Amino acid sequence: NAGVMQNPRHLVRRRGQEARLRCSPMKGHSHVYWYRQLPEEGLKFMVYLQKENIIDESGMPKERFSAEFPKEGPSILRIQQVVRGDSAAYFCASSPPRGNQETQYFGPGTRLLVL
Amino acid sequence: RKEVEQDPGPFNVPEGATVAFNCTYSNSASQSFFWYRQDCRKEPKLLMSVYSSGNEDGRFTAQLNRASQYISLLIRDSKLSDSATYLCVVSASGNTPLVFGKGTRLSVIA
Repeated sequence: NAGVMQNPRHLVRRRGQEARLRCSPMKGHSHVYWYRQLPEEGLKFMVYLQKENIIDESGMPKERFSAEFPKEGPSILRIQQVVRGDSAAYFCASSPPRGNQETQYFGPGTRLLVL
Repeated sequence: RKEVEQDPGPFNVPEGATVAFNCTYSNSASQSFFWYRQDCRKEPKLLMSVYSSGNEDGRFTAQLNRASQYISLLIRDSKLSDSATYLCVVSASGNTPLVFGKGTRLSVIA
């Protein structure tokens, strides 16, 4: 059973470009969470999605950031017009719909560098 | 006040030592508690859940004190491979976002 997959693992963008980060949850998991880890900081929650629904986006910056989890395909975190401050590791986690409700399993992350 | 506070360390201990990490959380409504481990430039991995009754997994023991809003992790007989950052994590309930501390860095030295 493959774990949470994220791609790309590393992404370099120039200021003003767009960044698209993808996350495929573990098989059977319908809940996806995105977290951001700035250098030397802890992980911060950004957004929580289920298939075709955004459940909680309280941690997402109001501008330039968006997320989706379509019926088919991976979850996408999109950052428009990137700035240097967006440079961070972006981790996706998934969890099953119920039962072992607490455990979130993390993907390897995408490291975004904005030049 | 930060939601989850940890001593950042680093804790430098010799192999075989016992080391304890502490963590406090501010949200009294928190229901779920965990310790995650994060190696350098890797993703967090669940080490163990923490229950009020306390729980043990091999060399690792976790304790929760709800009244004091305090969580602890004890590592006995430290191994070189235990070197990592240990993240204290809480959440309000199942399937809700996790709130992470900044982590405590541990270096086990030969």
